[in-house]
Amino acid sequence: AQRVTQPEKLLSVFKGAPVELKCNYSYSGSPELFWYVQYSRQRLQLLLRHISRESIKGFTADLNKGETSFHLKKPFAQEEDSAMYYCALSPPNGGTSYGKLTFGQGTILTVHP
Amino acid sequence: GAVVSQHPSWVICKSGTSVKIECRSLDFQATTMFWYRQFPKQSLMLMATSNEGSKATYEQGVEKDKFLINHASLTLSTLTVTSAHPEDSSFYICSARTGAYGYTFGSGTRLTVV
Repeated sequence: AQRVTQPEKLLSVFKGAPVELKCNYSYSGSPELFWYVQYSRQRLQLLLRHISRESIKGFTADLNKGETSFHLKKPFAQEEDSAMYYCALSPPNGGTSYGKLTFGQGTILTVHP
Repeated sequence: GAVVSQHPSWVICKSGTSVKIECRSLDFQATTMFWYRQFPKQSLMLMATSNEGSKATYEQGVEKDKFLINHASLTLSTLTVTSAHPEDSSFYICSARTGAYGYTFGSGTRLTVV
């Protein structure tokens, strides 16, 4: 069974401090991993996905298959980064289950001025 | 970019009545849509996969007779909560596959059954 774990429900940092949101997953195979963000009163939107290996809004995430982790990092947090962050997993592209996302519990990030 | 419009954003209904939630893909064809449910302070849980022109595929534990999904066109999928009860109160979100690799989410519907 596939599972995504975000151990921290709440995370608070000060502006300019580094931030890391943890995500661990369980899946027998090579899944696709995503980070989604939901700002206050807005819809869920894609932040980044592991296969694109790009940096969005200063955030990066590296897939560590050995540790089955996909932690989200940003070296210098900004107040506008305050939001709910979800880590999600999809079976690999090409299969019939592709796109059936399994979400973690979410982490509320608060960046203080 | 691709947008999914979800309506209503908020609905209150009486116990025993039915409620329909619509998700429309704007400017793209959504052959596949996914319906999720989110309980307060919990994560999103996939309810079903909706494919245009065919029956929806429900996840284990989801009552297909209670949550009716129709995907009759390439731009519209609907979720009808039949004979709603207070325990059906939740936040319902749809998403659509926008291509080989992308998904976009609706803004969600807050259902309260009284």
